[in-house]
Amino acid sequence: AAGVIQSPRHLIKEKRETATLKCYPIPRHDTVYWYQQGPGQDPQFLISFYEKMQSDKGSIPDRFSAQQFSDYHSELNMSSLELGDSALYFCASSFRTSGYTGELFFGEGSRLTVL
Amino acid sequence: ILNVEQSPQSLHVQEGDSTNFTCSFPSSNFYALHWYRWETAKSPEALFVMTLNGDEKKKGRISATLNTKEGYSYLYIKGSQPEDSATYLCAPTSGTYKYIFGTGTRLKVLA
Repeated sequence: AAGVIQSPRHLIKEKRETATLKCYPIPRHDTVYWYQQGPGQDPQFLISFYEKMQSDKGSIPDRFSAQQFSDYHSELNMSSLELGDSALYFCASSFRTSGYTGELFFGEGSRLTVL
Repeated sequence: ILNVEQSPQSLHVQEGDSTNFTCSFPSSNFYALHWYRWETAKSPEALFVMTLNGDEKKKGRISATLNTKEGYSYLYIKGSQPEDSATYLCAPTSGTYKYIFGTGTRLKVLA
């Protein structure tokens, strides 16, 4: 079965550079979530989209932006990267129409290292 | 934003022992609670989705109960095996789609 696909899996950037992470949800899933997990930390909710519109916003820095495209894939853009942005970024998707019982399916994550 | 607490933070048990841990959340504005299992170097995997007070779900040796009135859920593992070693996360939602994960319980099952 198709799963959530994230790319790239690994990314190394310098401080002040820009990075873009991509997420391809499971087909027919209409909701995408982004989470950030720093070293030794719990996953922190960044932002979510439903039907290409921003749904909820968490602790996403102003330097970050995200969007969901017409094909439902989502991109997380991070600018002016800081060392503290080094983390594992997870994308998850779910099918909202099933209501609040829609479980989240996670991708394998994109590991960003900022040097 | 929901304040989610999980206890204990970490747990070491011997193979064959049964164990349980707790997820606490504010009981107001509750809509659903998800339990996830997160193994090292893998992505989180859904275990249970619970919505009704008194709900009890089971998957193999793992089961969970839900008390929405007092704001807690228990996760039980019967006869723990080394492959159960993982971090167990709970994520309640208050009606938005902003699932807030608890700090997790890190379980280590010793052979």
